[in-house]
Amino acid sequence: GQNIDQPTEMTATEGAIVQINCTYQTSGFNGLFWYQQHAGEAPTFLSYNVLDGLEEKGRFSSFLSRSKGYSYLLLKELQMKDSASYLCAVADSNYQLIWGAGTKLIIKP
Amino acid sequence: DAGVTQSPTHLIKTRGQQVTLRCSPKSGHDTVSWYQQALGQGPQFIFQYYEEEERQRGNFPDRFSGHQFPNYSSELNVNALLLGDSALYLCASSLAGDSPNQPQHFGDGTRLSIL
Repeated sequence: GQNIDQPTEMTATEGAIVQINCTYQTSGFNGLFWYQQHAGEAPTFLSYNVLDGLEEKGRFSSFLSRSKGYSYLLLKELQMKDSASYLCAVADSNYQLIWGAGTKLIIKP
Repeated sequence: DAGVTQSPTHLIKTRGQQVTLRCSPKSGHDTVSWYQQALGQGPQFIFQYYEEEERQRGNFPDRFSGHQFPNYSSELNVNALLLGDSALYLCASSLAGDSPNQPQHFGDGTRLSIL
């Protein structure tokens, strides 16, 4: 079967760094997406990885290891507005997105 | 430039009823995907429409059906509603010719509650 695993909840301090992990087992792989979703709002795109390595985009970076079926999202200089759920999604062999349950990130002052 | 719009924002129905949800894609997009997101879960893919036809389908029963119109807008219909159908229904649009790394754009969803 297809499976995406992420921690349910994480807590971090304003100004710090946090790493959210995602492991996956899917039928085929055509890239991994990270989305941010504030409560009651639509998911918004953060990053896309299809090759191994690190993609940096401002305060956010995403890493992929295809051989390990593993990705992480790194958030630096955390701000209170970063409190949200972070969703990992993998595009399978049919380019259909398989989603994790999301990681709820709580930022404390 | 209008993003993805969905209507209604909230809806309350009772078991056994039928519901229709609507979605207008982002300007310039031609492909619409529907997702069901239960509370505390990630989105689950229902189906995708392109050129007015269902192109892909997830693991949902036939009670879930859809339609795409010539202007690319789309409807999701759910018959014989069950309590378990209570969820946030998200619509996402994209352009079929885009490369795979182009993300889908999501609407704010319709919150469906079944009593």
